[in-house]
Amino acid sequence: NAGVTQTPKFQVLKTGQSMTLQCAQDMNHNSMYWYRQDPGMGLRLIYYSASEGTTDKGEVPNGYNVSRLNKREFSLRLESAAPSQTSVYFCASNGQDWQPQHFGDGTRLSIL
Amino acid sequence: RKEVEQDPGPFNVPEGATVAFNCTYSNSASQSFFWYRQDCRKEPKLLMSVYSSGNEDGRFTAQLNRASQYISLLIRDSKLSDSATYLCVVTGTNAGKSTFGDGTTLTVKP
Repeated sequence: NAGVTQTPKFQVLKTGQSMTLQCAQDMNHNSMYWYRQDPGMGLRLIYYSASEGTTDKGEVPNGYNVSRLNKREFSLRLESAAPSQTSVYFCASNGQDWQPQHFGDGTRLSIL
Repeated sequence: RKEVEQDPGPFNVPEGATVAFNCTYSNSASQSFFWYRQDCRKEPKLLMSVYSSGNEDGRFTAQLNRASQYISLLIRDSKLSDSATYLCVVTGTNAGKSTFGDGTTLTVKP
């Protein structure tokens, strides 16, 4: 069972470059989420999507954009990467808000 | 005050010990509760759901106290492999999104 798949697993960028992190789930879940986790810190919600076609800001949305392409896919874009965005990014999904979230194995992003 | 608060630890215990973690939440309207486990630099994984009646899964017992707004996780007969960070999760707050605690770190030593 694939569950939640994130690509790429690792990426190094230079300041000012742009890139898109991809996330896909095969569990027919309605809601999808993007988090970042800095070393030694907790998860912080960047954006979420309660259903196809809708997106909402989380706790730390500045510097990011998202697209809920269809029910399966939810991408996160960094338009102009900054060193402060160096982090591990996790995508998650669940069927309903009250259900547990399932996580992908993360993208480790370094910005020089 | 954070919506979900956990003692960050670290908790350092010997193998075979019993250890308990608590987590408090601020929104009395919270709907559901979970414990996750996160290994170093890996994704969080669901450990168990938490029900009002309390629930047990092998060496792990979770309990919910709605009146006092806290949940707990008890680990009996600790194993080296239990070393991880344990995250408390509360849903039904903040427009339906889940709120994750910052985690409690457990190290089980030989």
